[in-house]
Amino acid sequence: QQQVKQSPQSLIVQKGGISIINCAYENTAFDYFPWYQQFPGKGPALLIAIRPDVSEKKEGRFTISFNKSAKQFSLHIMDSQPGDSATYFCAARLNQAGTALIFGKGTTLSVSS
Amino acid sequence: GAGVSQSPSNKVTEKGKDVELRCDPISGHTALYWYRQSLGQGLEFLIYFQGNSAPDKSGLPSDRFSAERTGGSVSTLTIQRTQQEDSAVYLCASSSRHRGRNEQFFGPGTRLTVL
Repeated sequence: QQQVKQSPQSLIVQKGGISIINCAYENTAFDYFPWYQQFPGKGPALLIAIRPDVSEKKEGRFTISFNKSAKQFSLHIMDSQPGDSATYFCAARLNQAGTALIFGKGTTLSVSS
Repeated sequence: GAGVSQSPSNKVTEKGKDVELRCDPISGHTALYWYRQSLGQGLEFLIYFQGNSAPDKSGLPSDRFSAERTGGSVSTLTIQRTQQEDSAVYLCASSSRHRGRNEQFFGPGTRLTVL
């Protein structure tokens, strides 16, 4: 019940295309859902995050879609660029400020030019 | 300003040896987390410190793992009698506990290799 399941494990998208990464969870006590981006040799960095009272959040080319009833959320990267090639992790946090994040296993995105 | 720093960046050790990994969080951040990232896996929570409260050690995989945080700032993760399965990247993160600020800022990690 504490897991966050992420798919696909890897993704290849052409430059200019849309990248979509999906995550699912079981625990309805999660109240914060961030996406992190990680480049090789670097630590993860927060990309965008959403709370369950919102169905969509957009920041530039990045959009989170959230379906509370289905307990699913997804990251959409519009107009994907080679510089977006990285590993993306979804995560969830229990409804206690400051508690640790529970991460999905990651998606390696390659954007071909 | 300075981000989260970790040292060493790489550590190679022999099975059975003890290792210490260091984390310097962002100044003023009261929360500090340790995670482990194994190849092909997500980030696995290890331990969490919040101010002067007792740490949440629920993620530590065995009693060979321990961590301390001195003066509410620098933290050291210690792995005793290292095993090959301990090989991974150990990531530290810190965050501010101010209301509405949930972002955890990660350091670059320490890559531990146990031979």
